[in-house]
Amino acid sequence: GAGVSQSPSNKVTEKGKDVELRCDPISGHTALYWYRQSLGQGLEFLIYFQGNSAPDKSGLPSDRFSAERTGGSVSTLTIQRTQQEDSAVYLCASSRGTERNTIYFGEGSWLTVV
Amino acid sequence: GNSVTQMEGPVTLSEEAFLTINCTYTATGYPSLFWYVQYPGEGLQLLLKATKADDKGSNKGFEATYRKETTSFHLEKGSVQVSDSAVYFCALRNTGTASKLTFGTGTRLQVTL
Repeated sequence: GAGVSQSPSNKVTEKGKDVELRCDPISGHTALYWYRQSLGQGLEFLIYFQGNSAPDKSGLPSDRFSAERTGGSVSTLTIQRTQQEDSAVYLCASSRGTERNTIYFGEGSWLTVV
Repeated sequence: GNSVTQMEGPVTLSEEAFLTINCTYTATGYPSLFWYVQYPGEGLQLLLKATKADDKGSNKGFEATYRKETTSFHLEKGSVQVSDSAVYFCALRNTGTASKLTFGTGTRLQVTL
């Protein structure tokens, strides 16, 4: 597609429920990233995929967070047993496979846990 | 580890004023440096970048020079406009792999008439 596409754009969920956030990267981009932006905070790295593998998942804050990527394209970030502190904007980004390539961001999924 | 420190906001300026947003970094090796901008209601966009020491990135009247000796990448614009109101993020990325961006906390700029 023309850009990084994320869905849903907004999600309100009850504490304790599971949520899935989807990212569709730019076609041909092998690298995919998830970040979290909390209110008043900077961007916190969560996980990085190269193809279907995740060489860097050091930013996942707890075992309630997981992500997968299939077919080298679409990725899903899953948050189990959501907590109020999980409320944030979850940003997905993608790039071609080398460090010289620009990283492009989606518009994010706004998650509110009530 | 890698880290980016940028000046706290919000920064409020009158239109046509000179802008500086300071950014310093700590990194191993020779990172590439970036400024991203987030306009209200929009996603993050790359504003400019520099990939080696003494490089100057520029776009839309904004400039930043990669200073290895001071580990800095300060963002400047000679004459800001109301449309420049946004949050600006400084970031670095290590070379060698398609590695992640490490961001600063962001600086909100508000430009008034």
